[in-house]
Order: sequence, then C-alpha cells, then structure tokens
Amino acid sequence: TQLLEQSPQFLSIQEGENLTVYCNSSSVFSSLQWYRQEPGEGPVLLVTVVTGGEVKKLKRLTFQFGDARKDSSLHITAAQPGDTGLYLCASPGGFGGNTGKLIFGQGTTLQVKP
Amino acid sequence: KAGVTQTPRYLIKTRGQQVTLSCSPISGHRSVSWYQQTPGQGLQFLFEYFSETQRNKGNFPGRFSGRQFSNSRSEMNVSTLELGDSALYLCASNQEGAWTGELFFGEGSRLTVL
Repeated sequence: TQLLEQSPQFLSIQEGENLTVYCNSSSVFSSLQWYRQEPGEGPVLLVTVVTGGEVKKLKRLTFQFGDARKDSSLHITAAQPGDTGLYLCASPGGFGGNTGKLIFGQGTTLQVKP
Repeated sequence: KAGVTQTPRYLIKTRGQQVTLSCSPISGHRSVSWYQQTPGQGLQFLFEYFSETQRNKGNFPGRFSGRQFSNSRSEMNVSTLELGDSALYLCASNQEGAWTGELFFGEGSRLTVL
C-alpha cells in the first residue's frame, strides 16, 4: 500500500510570508492531487498533477510534481489569513481508472496570522 | 448544481449502539465514497459504491458497512460503536469518466461516541 508522507505537519506564519509543503512517497504516483480543507467543511480539490516535472499555478499557489513522480510540493507566496486550513495531498489507491479510492497524506495544518 | 449532502451533521451515541449516516451525491454522479477522518489517523478510505455495488473497500472491520440505492444515494452503518469510532465521516462523489478524478466532498457527519 502506497504511503504518502507530508511535511511539515504544522505551520504557523505571519501574513506575507512564503511557505512550502511537501508530499513524498517511496512509490511512483500515477497522479497526485492537492486538497484544502477548512474547519467544518470537506476537502476541496486545488489541483491535479499527472506528468513528471509538471508545474501548475493557481494564483499565489504553485504546485510541482517531481520528475520521478515520487514527490510533490505546494508553494504559497505572500500567504494571507484566507489561506489558513488543512492541506492534503492524495493519490489514487487503485490501478488505473477513475475511482473514489484515494490515499491521503496526514495533512499540513497551516495558520496564517494577520 | 447542489453539492454533496450529508445527514446528520452532528450526532452523539454511546458505546454499543449503532449509527446510520446518509449521503446524497451531486446529481449525475454514480460513485460514492466514504472516508473516516480523525486527528491521529487522518483521512482513511472506508469503501466506494458504484451503481449499487461495492467497488472498493478499505481496511476497516466488518462493523462498518454501507449500501447504495438506485438513485445513487448512499448510507453507511456502524454497529456496536466503540469510543475509537468518534470521527468525522466524509462522503464524496465523483463523475465517472472525468480524467481529473476529482472527489467532491460533503461537509461530513461528526460522530461522538461516549
């Protein structure tokens, strides 16, 4: 069973700072998703990366997929209090196809203080 | 388009009781997955249903069961509740054939076992 390791587990920063969250596995990812979960809500998809070396940007968020597809990172530039939440990486738990089985990392709790 | 709806949002049970949680997926989504979220274990996959059939199953004891109806609505049941079953139970639906494999989560049912 593929395990996803996220780091750091907790991050508390001041508004305007930059940060990076990492997601690693000993196995190759078929694809990798990043979700954000706010208190009292379910996770919401931010991005899906599929190709090794891929870089995707979503406003102040930059997502990278490692060349070997074993690692991914999420970088936030000039963090704002609205970025506060739990960030989760996830990868399909099965082989091929589009299923509802995802393996999630433990998550990174981000707190951005004004 | 209405999102994924879960009921009840909060419930308190005592050890030994059983509980049934309900999930209505996004209209047109035929896949429904269930996840357990706890501070210690994070998000863990319980099972997935597609067209009224269980398609994937996680590593949970037989006390956890589910079913899906012909209108794609799903229920999960936990019998003989234990203290460790206290958790946020999340339901997610996804659109079969969508290449991104995005899961759309409900807000969850928070179960407290006393």
